[in-house]
Amino acid sequence: AQSVAQPEDQVNVAEGNPLTVKCTYSVSGNPYLFWYVQYPNRGLQFLLKYITGDNLVKGSYGFEAEFNKSQTSFHLKKPSALVSDSALYFCAVRDIPSGSARQLTFGSGTQLTVLP
Amino acid sequence: DTAVSQTPKYLVTQMGNDKSIKCEQNLGHDTMYWYKQDSKKFLKIMFSYNNKELIINETVPNRFSPKSPDKAHLNLHINSLELGDSAVYFCASSQDWGSNTEAFFGQGTRLTVV
Repeated sequence: AQSVAQPEDQVNVAEGNPLTVKCTYSVSGNPYLFWYVQYPNRGLQFLLKYITGDNLVKGSYGFEAEFNKSQTSFHLKKPSALVSDSALYFCAVRDIPSGSARQLTFGSGTQLTVLP
Repeated sequence: DTAVSQTPKYLVTQMGNDKSIKCEQNLGHDTMYWYKQDSKKFLKIMFSYNNKELIINETVPNRFSPKSPDKAHLNLHINSLELGDSAVYFCASSQDWGSNTEAFFGQGTRLTVV
């Protein structure tokens, strides 16, 4: 079975400071990992994904994430936070191969608040 | 140019009623999904269709019935609505059933059962 954990319900950071939103995963095989962002009253928007290759993945809006196989983590980062980055962030995983279990499993979400 | 569109955006209805939520994608994707987001923002897969064929049916009450008339549409019909069905329902699509494809989400339908 595949699972994702986002250990922090809430992350607060000052504008201009670096931000990190944590994610750890559990899969039986190799993972495909995704980050999504949800703004209030909106659907989820895809930010970035790790499939294979370089452990540092760059995505939309200046976000990046680092895949760490030994720590089973895929933390989302941004060097300099903006107030407009304030939103709910979801990490998600697919296990490969895993028979029919190819659905995306989401973490519980982390509310990021960037303070001006 | 909305990629994944759901209607209605808001739905308020009484217990016991039957309601439908429609979803359409114009991305040419083969796979479509329904997710439920509860009051704590937790997201859970309900159904997935690939080329109009049901491939995921999680533990969802029989009162929920998806229907895919074609690849671009996946509707959700709910019978005998209960208070606990109140949630935001998201439709999504992805290029195919492959594991490395990201999903595109609609804006959600906020269902309130009173």
